[in-house]
Amino acid sequence: ILNVEQSPQSLHVQEGDSTNFTCSFPSSNFYALHWYRWETAKSPEALFVMTLNGDEKKKGRISATLNTKEGYSYLYIKGSQPEDSATYLCAFGGYQKVTFGTGTKLQVIP
Amino acid sequence: EAQVTQNPRYLITVTGKKLTVTCSQNMNHEYMSWYRQDPGLGLRQIYYSMNVEVTDKGDVPEGYKVSRKEKRNFPLILESPSPNQTSLYFCASKPGQGVAYNSPLHFGNGTRLTVT
Repeated sequence: ILNVEQSPQSLHVQEGDSTNFTCSFPSSNFYALHWYRWETAKSPEALFVMTLNGDEKKKGRISATLNTKEGYSYLYIKGSQPEDSATYLCAFGGYQKVTFGTGTKLQVIP
Repeated sequence: EAQVTQNPRYLITVTGKKLTVTCSQNMNHEYMSWYRQDPGLGLRQIYYSMNVEVTDKGDVPEGYKVSRKEKRNFPLILESPSPNQTSLYFCASKPGQGVAYNSPLHFGNGTRLTVT
């Protein structure tokens, strides 16, 4: 079973703070790294899919970077807002299987 | 509207009573998958299917069956449910031809199953 690790497990930030979290994955046989946003009582929604070492993706205040050689990706949120409160999942996209980490639960305090 | 539809949303059943959770997608996706979500364990893959009549085990397949007779449908079957299968289940799909791994998964709304 692939080991995809996310840290921290949870964090609380004040509205307006910027924050970031980490996803670690095996650096061998890499195909793609996915990020999803999962709000309570909803289903996960895709943020980014990255495939190339050095990839950087941005969507509004959220951005992500990828280092496939060392096996990690960072997700950044600039100027956190209460609506950013959610669990952020990363997933290792293999050729056939997509394996998820356990997520980082973000709570933004107004 | 492009979507993945799961039914039912909630299901309470008793140990040993066979049940099926349906999943249907209208995006012509080749790849479909079932996940279960348990506190502290994240989303774990149960089974996946690369195309019609092609299915394979994920990381936690014990106690589950699937079938892929049509491209749009991928039902999850619990032949003899047990309490340890109480969980939140998600069906997901994505394009599966060519460079499929760089396509994001589209998730259904989830099915909360309780087995007593």
